[in-house]
Amino acid sequence: EDKVVQSPLSLVVHEGDTVTLNCSYEVTNFRSLLWYKQEKKAPTFLFMLTSSGIEKKSGRLSSILDKKELFSILNITATQTGDSAIYLCAAGYGNTGKLIFGQGTTLQVKP
Amino acid sequence: NAGVTQTPKFRVLKTGQSMTLLCAQDMNHEYMYWYRQDPGMGLRLIHYSVGEGTTAKGEVPDGYNVSRLKKQNFLLGLESAAPSQTSVYFCASSSPPGLAGLYEQYFGPGTRLTVT
Repeated sequence: EDKVVQSPLSLVVHEGDTVTLNCSYEVTNFRSLLWYKQEKKAPTFLFMLTSSGIEKKSGRLSSILDKKELFSILNITATQTGDSAIYLCAAGYGNTGKLIFGQGTTLQVKP
Repeated sequence: NAGVTQTPKFRVLKTGQSMTLLCAQDMNHEYMYWYRQDPGMGLRLIHYSVGEGTTAKGEVPDGYNVSRLKKQNFLLGLESAAPSQTSVYFCASSSPPGLAGLYEQYFGPGTRLTVT
């Protein structure tokens, strides 16, 4: 059965800390790994990774994919209270654009 | 450019009642999806559509029906609501992933449904 597993499920840190969120996947016909940030409403897109070992960066956020070991990590450096959110990992597969989502990691950044 | 919109934003139903959730997108996307989100379970795919007039079942389709009569709209129906359908429902749309494997989906703001 296809699955995406995230860890930890929740995390509490203080402003300025660095966090690493993990995502492992076992998905048939895997094509892409995506990260989304969800605050109070709709998930918003962060990164899409299709190749192993190539880091993608956006400000204090970065992500990398390992297609041999079937996992991805999302790093957030110098965390801010505005980083508090649910971070969702999803695997894209097949030709119908479908995504399988992990359970999400709830990050709380305290002042 | 409104992106993906959903109506209504909130709804309370009694067990056995029916309702339809409407999703509309103005990005000319071929593909559309309905998800439900429950605490600790991420997003689970209910039904999806790869084009006008086509629909297919996702991971958790029981108790739901969908229709895609127009490219820009995707309707989700609950014929006889049950308390287990209490959830937040998200609609999303995307272009076909193509050879580049572009799987980015654009999400609507969600509908919070409570069934009592």
